[in-house]
Amino acid sequence: RKEVEQDPGPFNVPEGATVAFNCTYSNSASQSFFWYRQDCRKEPKLLMSVYSSGNEDGRFTAQLNRASQYISLLIRDSKLSDSATYLCVVSGNAGGTSYGKLTFGQGTILTVHP
Amino acid sequence: EPEVTQTPSHQVTQMGQEVILRCVPISNHLYFYWYRQILGQKVEFLVSFYNNEISEKSEIFDDQFSVERPDGSNFTLKIRSTKLEDSAMYFCASAGQVGEDTQYFGPGTRLTVL
Repeated sequence: RKEVEQDPGPFNVPEGATVAFNCTYSNSASQSFFWYRQDCRKEPKLLMSVYSSGNEDGRFTAQLNRASQYISLLIRDSKLSDSATYLCVVSGNAGGTSYGKLTFGQGTILTVHP
Repeated sequence: EPEVTQTPSHQVTQMGQEVILRCVPISNHLYFYWYRQILGQKVEFLVSFYNNEISEKSEIFDDQFSVERPDGSNFTLKIRSTKLEDSAMYFCASAGQVGEDTQYFGPGTRLTVL
């Protein structure tokens, strides 16, 4: 089983649509969870951390279900600029920080069209 | 905003040659990482470095690889004898300001081995 598994997509949605991405992870000892965004041939950039209580940042909402080892990202009111690859990332550092190695999923490609 | 920088942006080398990829992490960060991404594949962890020593490394990071922090600012990845399969994007990342909970990635070095 892959350590971090995502639906690779691609997802093609019109502007204004709501889109959801899912991710599962295999290591139950994982402590920290993130969504990163990667534009074509660029570095990964942190979109948001994911907490058990769920968290929201503007149009983006992330959820974590530790029992199911499942992470989700919801994007509301999609913009053209949201087109990118979304990376589900976990870290096993027991301190709850990202000082430890990051394990990446293969990414989900999103294209938002006019 | 502070950022991680990497040089060169693109390195072309012949198989069997040594290459050194350079990174300047964010000032005052304490934890340093190298990741690689083969074209079309996921981002993979190579090595983490803290307190002037390797804290963790992956199976990819074999004897052909080494890391060094030769002074207070640079963090280097050396590949002793490059292989065709070393062709990839190499990302440096740093973390570690008090209260921070993220790794910041540099723009990457594209390594092409011919």
